[in-house]
Amino acid sequence: GAGVSQSPSNKVTEKGKDVELRCDPISGHTALYWYRQSLGQGLEFLIYFQGNSAPDKSGLPSDRFSAERTGGSVSTLTIQRTQQEDSAVYLCASSNYAGEAFFGQGTRLTVV
Amino acid sequence: GQQLNQSPQSMFIQEGEDVSMNCTSSSIFNTWLWYKQDPGEGPVLLIALYKAGELTSNGRLTAQFGITRKDSFLNISASIPSDVGIYFCAGQNGNSGGSNYKLTFGKGTLLTVNP
Repeated sequence: GAGVSQSPSNKVTEKGKDVELRCDPISGHTALYWYRQSLGQGLEFLIYFQGNSAPDKSGLPSDRFSAERTGGSVSTLTIQRTQQEDSAVYLCASSNYAGEAFFGQGTRLTVV
Repeated sequence: GQQLNQSPQSMFIQEGEDVSMNCTSSSIFNTWLWYKQDPGEGPVLLIALYKAGELTSNGRLTAQFGITRKDSFLNISASIPSDVGIYFCAGQNGNSGGSNYKLTFGKGTLLTVNP
């Protein structure tokens, strides 16, 4: 596609349920990033993929968070047993070797 | 890990004024990027800088990659109401091996333009 696509755009879930967030990067982009943004806050790094491997997953807040990327393309961020503090906008970005990273519109997650 | 200090945290200006914001780091970056984020949207890339000392313009925006590779600034000239938003700097340390292109972001500058 023309840009980074994220789905769903909004997700409301009950505390304790698992959620999956999807990111379709720009075709040909080898790097893919997940960030989290709480209301009025900056961008909190979660995990970075180069191809299908994750050289840096240091930002994942707990073992309830995991992410995978298959075929060097689509990535899924999974949050298990969601908690209210997981409520945030989850942003995905992809980049080429030139380093210019482009963001999707984000998934707004609300845990009730 | 690497940290970026972005300032100011917020600015309130009159339409037509010029603004300047900057980012500094304790360590070097190979690439500096500047983004703007509107409410409810993802950040949009404004300018990318790849060489120390590089000065790049995009319309009313001008950004520079500091000579020490530890800082960058963004200037907006003749501000207009649609410049309102949050501006983020980001540094990247891609290496020739292509194994790590992690982006580190500043905390953002909230710009308000009074018509």
